[in-house]
Amino acid sequence: KNQVEQSPQSLIILEGKNCTLQCNYTVSPFSNLRWYKQDTGRGPVSLTIMTFSENTKSNGRYTATLDADTKQSSLHITASQLSDSASYICVVRTMDSSYKLIFGSGTRLLVRP
Amino acid sequence: DGGITQSPKYLFRKEGQNVTLSCEQNLNHDAMYWYRQDPGQGLRLIYYSQIVNDFQKGDIAEGYSVSREKKESFPLTVTSAQKNPTAFYLCASSRQGAGEQYFGPGTRLTVT
Repeated sequence: KNQVEQSPQSLIILEGKNCTLQCNYTVSPFSNLRWYKQDTGRGPVSLTIMTFSENTKSNGRYTATLDADTKQSSLHITASQLSDSASYICVVRTMDSSYKLIFGSGTRLLVRP
Repeated sequence: DGGITQSPKYLFRKEGQNVTLSCEQNLNHDAMYWYRQDPGQGLRLIYYSQIVNDFQKGDIAEGYSVSREKKESFPLTVTSAQKNPTAFYLCASSRQGAGEQYFGPGTRLTVT
C-alpha cells in the first residue's frame, strides 16, 4: 500500500535554531517527492520538488534531501524564523497511470521567540 | 495562492442541507481537484477533472458531487449524504494531470 509517514507530528523550537523534519514513504516506483508549507487556515505552497535521481534541493533556508534507496526524505530548516511556524507536508507522486499524489499527515512546527 | 480563489472562507450549515463550495482559477489550467483535510490526516482526494465536462471520483467521493462546465470553475457540492462533512476543503489546479498542483486558500465547512 502506498503510504507517506512523517515525523515528528509536532515540533517546537526557538527562533534562530535549526530543525529537521522526516518523511518515509512506501510509494514505489515514484515520480517525484515534494515538500509543501501550509500556514494555518491556508492552502499548501510548494517548497521543493525532487525526482528519484536527485539527492538534495534547496530553497533559501529550506534544504530537502532524498535517499531513494531507503525511501526517506528530510527537510532541514536553517536559522528558523517566527514565520516558519506552519505545517510541513511531504507528498509523493506515483509513477503509475494515475500519477496520483500521496500526502503525508504533516509536521506542525512552532517557532518561539 | 496564485490565481485560485475559493469562497467562502468559512461556511456554516445545518445537518441535512446541501452546500456548494466555489473554486475558480485564472491560471488557464486544464486539471482541477478537490481535497478534504482533517486534523492529523493527509489530504484526501474527493474528485478531479482533467478537462471541461469530464470528472472522475477520487478516494472519498461518496456524499459529494461536482461539475466542470467551464475551464476556470470546479464547484463542489457537499450533500446531506456525506456523513461527516465538517472539514477543511482545498481546491487545486494544474496545467495538466501530472503537473504541479497549485492550491487555493481553502474553505472551512462546519455542519451542526
